[in-house]
Amino acid sequence: DQQVKQNSPSLSVQEGRISILNCDYTNSMFDYFLWYKKYPAEGPTFLISISSIKDKNEDGRFTVFLNKSAKHLSLHIVPSQPGDSAVYFCAASGQGDKIIFGKGTRLHILP
Amino acid sequence: DAGVIQSPRHEVTEMGQEVTLRCKPISGHNSLFWYRQTMMRGLELLIYFNNNVPIDDSGMPEDRFSAKMPNASFSTLKIQPSEPRDSAVYFCASSYAHTHLSRSTDTQYFGPGTRLTVL
Repeated sequence: DQQVKQNSPSLSVQEGRISILNCDYTNSMFDYFLWYKKYPAEGPTFLISISSIKDKNEDGRFTVFLNKSAKHLSLHIVPSQPGDSAVYFCAASGQGDKIIFGKGTRLHILP
Repeated sequence: DAGVIQSPRHEVTEMGQEVTLRCKPISGHNSLFWYRQTMMRGLELLIYFNNNVPIDDSGMPEDRFSAKMPNASFSTLKIQPSEPRDSAVYFCASSYAHTHLSRSTDTQYFGPGTRLTVL
């Protein structure tokens, strides 16, 4: 049973517009959430995270929003750039060092 | 730092053969993770170690899979015998956590992965 769900396998967005990637989780014990970005033939790299005590975290063009009551988080990328084309993994963590990843969403930034 | 090093980068083998994947974590990191990525299941955790001790192996598919961490700078993931359904990209990642109950002080750093094809 998937504890972290990314229901959109892919997403296409025009360059310069906003990209919104969504993620849902089922385990209420999760208290730390992360987004990783993955290019082909490379390992995932950390992008941004948020603790459950916050509802928003911003880093440059990237903002993560957390809605605990809905068990939902989203990643906003504004403005979208060609280099943002990648697979984005949502991940969640409870106690300890174990991270549970979603299946990923492939983002295509269109010129 | 060279980052997490994995070898080989690509492995093609025949069904029934033994496969050994290798990982060298980032120096100073004490947590090591093995993941498998497939189209169907995404990125799933197989096993993780803290201070060379296996903490959670609940993601290991079956007895054909085994992992070891003989010292802080080396880990192996072995599949014996291999089957076509084991074909996937296998990632190793490392981080630092004070104990296995505490969260990493930093994020997990991933290696480039090993693409395994079992014919």
